[in-house]
Amino acid sequence: GDSVTQTEGLVTLTKGLPVMLNCTYQTTYSPFLFWYVQHLNEAPKLLLKSSTDNKRTEHQGFYATLHKSSSSFHLQKSSVQLSDSALYFCALSGGNNRIFFGDGTQLVVKP
Amino acid sequence: AQTIHQWPVAEIKAVGSPLSLGCTIKGKSSPNLYWYWQATGGTLQQLFYSITVGQVESVVQLNLSASRPKDDQFILSTEKLLLSHSGFYLCAWTRDWGNYAEQFFGPGTRLTVL
Repeated sequence: GDSVTQTEGLVTLTKGLPVMLNCTYQTTYSPFLFWYVQHLNEAPKLLLKSSTDNKRTEHQGFYATLHKSSSSFHLQKSSVQLSDSALYFCALSGGNNRIFFGDGTQLVVKP
Repeated sequence: AQTIHQWPVAEIKAVGSPLSLGCTIKGKSSPNLYWYWQATGGTLQQLFYSITVGQVESVVQLNLSASRPKDDQFILSTEKLLLSHSGFYLCAWTRDWGNYAEQFFGPGTRLTVL
């Protein structure tokens, strides 16, 4: 069945450093991938989305590229800020109008 | 524009007491609706989803039940709360783009069971 894997449960970084949060997926459908960000005591919000192979998509300084050959959609940022501290979810939607979430990665940015 | 509301914003309840959480979406006809549960800082656990009035599919029940009494309303309930029911409950709707769905979340209800 469809699934999403986020390998890091917690990532701790110093402000100004680059970050990459891993996301891989499994599906038999044509994939549509999403990244959601959830700040403390708030609902998850859509950050990025893509269904185009090998095309970089960007928003709010974050970027990701869908690579169908490796079934990956890693989230990156070149310089993290304190306000980027949040829980990040990768999600997959396939051809059956269902959506599947990864377990999430907690990003903690320190001064 | 579509808006999604959840009520109440927060609840403190006793173990063994009943619970009813509500979700309403405006501006979207026949939405696909979902209920999620989330422990503090934890994963999003999908509980139920509904694609039409009167029809609810269970993903993980956790001693909860759900109903879709109206096209724009989704209710989560239980007759007896457990301590393990504490957490953040999120309602979501999906925008369908043919062969994929994009999900939008409501503001959530924070439930504390004592």
